Amino acid sequence: KQEVTQIPAALSVPEGENLVLNCSFTDSAIYNLQWFRQDPGKGLTSLLLIQSSQREQTSGRLNASLDKSSGRSTLYIAASQPGDSATYLCAVRPLGYSTLTFGKGTMLLVSP
Amino acid sequence: SQTIHQWPATLVQPVGSPLSLECTVEGTSNPNLYWYRQAAGRGLQLLFYSVGIGQISSEVPQNLSASRPQDRQFILSSKKLLLSDSGFYLCAWSVVGAYTEAFFGQGTRLTVV
Repeated sequence: KQEVTQIPAALSVPEGENLVLNCSFTDSAIYNLQWFRQDPGKGLTSLLLIQSSQREQTSGRLNASLDKSSGRSTLYIAASQPGDSATYLCAVRPLGYSTLTFGKGTMLLVSP
Repeated sequence: SQTIHQWPATLVQPVGSPLSLECTVEGTSNPNLYWYRQAAGRGLQLLFYSVGIGQISSEVPQNLSASRPQDRQFILSSKKLLLSDSGFYLCAWSVVGAYTEAFFGQGTRLTVV
């Protein structure tokens, strides 16, 4: 059974810092990995999708990497801003499944 | 462009009452549709998914059911709510295929009292 773990569970940083969020998964047999952002009381916003054959994806100040063989992904946020404060979730789509398996998320607080 | 609508945004229901949450997707055809529940400290739990009209797969046996009466409509129901049904319910969709991206609605906060 696929399990997804996100470390740390919570992170507080001052504005301007570069930061890394970690995601690990137990089974490397995946189609892809997706990073989401969730604001309090809101739905999930897709940030980046990395296919199993890819090593990284970039969108603006966000960069996500994938090391499928070791079961790890990182989300790098450059020059963090207070508006980046949210919970960040990673999810994998296991081979043979149409659905996603989620981690519990990292709650990020960026202070001005 | 594609959009997903989910309503209501919040709902307070008494124990034993029925439930109906609706989700619709616009701008695409024959999407895969999903219902997830998010409980505090437990992450997102897949409840149901559908690959076509009338085709529903249940991941977790429970007090809930789902239906897909139209191609882009997905409904989550219960005949009698339990306190344990409280949570944040999220609908999602993706294009058919293994390598596609999933998109989520804004969620429904259900409180059973």
